[in-house]
Amino acid sequence: KQEVTQIPAALSVPEGENLVLNCSFTDSAIYNLQWFRQDPGKGLTSLLLIQSSQREQTSGRLNASLDKSSGRSTLYIAASQPGDSATYLCAVQKAAGNKLTFGGGTRVLVKP
Amino acid sequence: GAVVSQHPSWVICKSGTSVKIECRSLDFQATTMFWYRQFPKQSLMLMATSNEGSKATYEQGVEKDKFLINHASLTLSTLTVTSAHPEDSSFYICSARDPAASYNEQFFGPGTRLTVL
Repeated sequence: KQEVTQIPAALSVPEGENLVLNCSFTDSAIYNLQWFRQDPGKGLTSLLLIQSSQREQTSGRLNASLDKSSGRSTLYIAASQPGDSATYLCAVQKAAGNKLTFGGGTRVLVKP
Repeated sequence: GAVVSQHPSWVICKSGTSVKIECRSLDFQATTMFWYRQFPKQSLMLMATSNEGSKATYEQGVEKDKFLINHASLTLSTLTVTSAHPEDSSFYICSARDPAASYNEQFFGPGTRLTVL
């Protein structure tokens, strides 16, 4: 059974500092891995999706890496802003069209 | 990107009543939709997979008679919480798989906050 872990569970940084969020999964046989953002009481916003054959994906200040063999992914957010404060979730998919298995999330607070 | 809506966005009901939550894919046809539940400060847990025209597949520990799922069309799935109790209070989120999207990506609805008094 796939298990997804996110460390740390919470993170507080001053504005401008880079953020590093970690995600690990126990079964390396994945189809893809996705990072989401969730604001309090809201749904999920997809940030980046990395296919199993890819090593990283970038979008603006966000960069996600994937090391499938070691079961790890890292989300980097450069030059953090207060608006980046949210919970970040990673999720893995075993096969195309299958369910997503989520990690517990990392709650991020960026202080002005 | 593809858009998924949920209705209602929040609902308050009395214990013992039933509540229906709708999940719609607005600009694509979704043969598969997923229903997740999220308790405060916890992550999303899959409840069931809804396939158009067939019975839903429930995750272990989810009562199929309590959480009724109907996926009658390619753009609509409904979750009915029957005889709701306070412990059913949660945030319910659906997602829909767009077969035409890259990598069969799933798109999430905005969620429905259920409070059972």
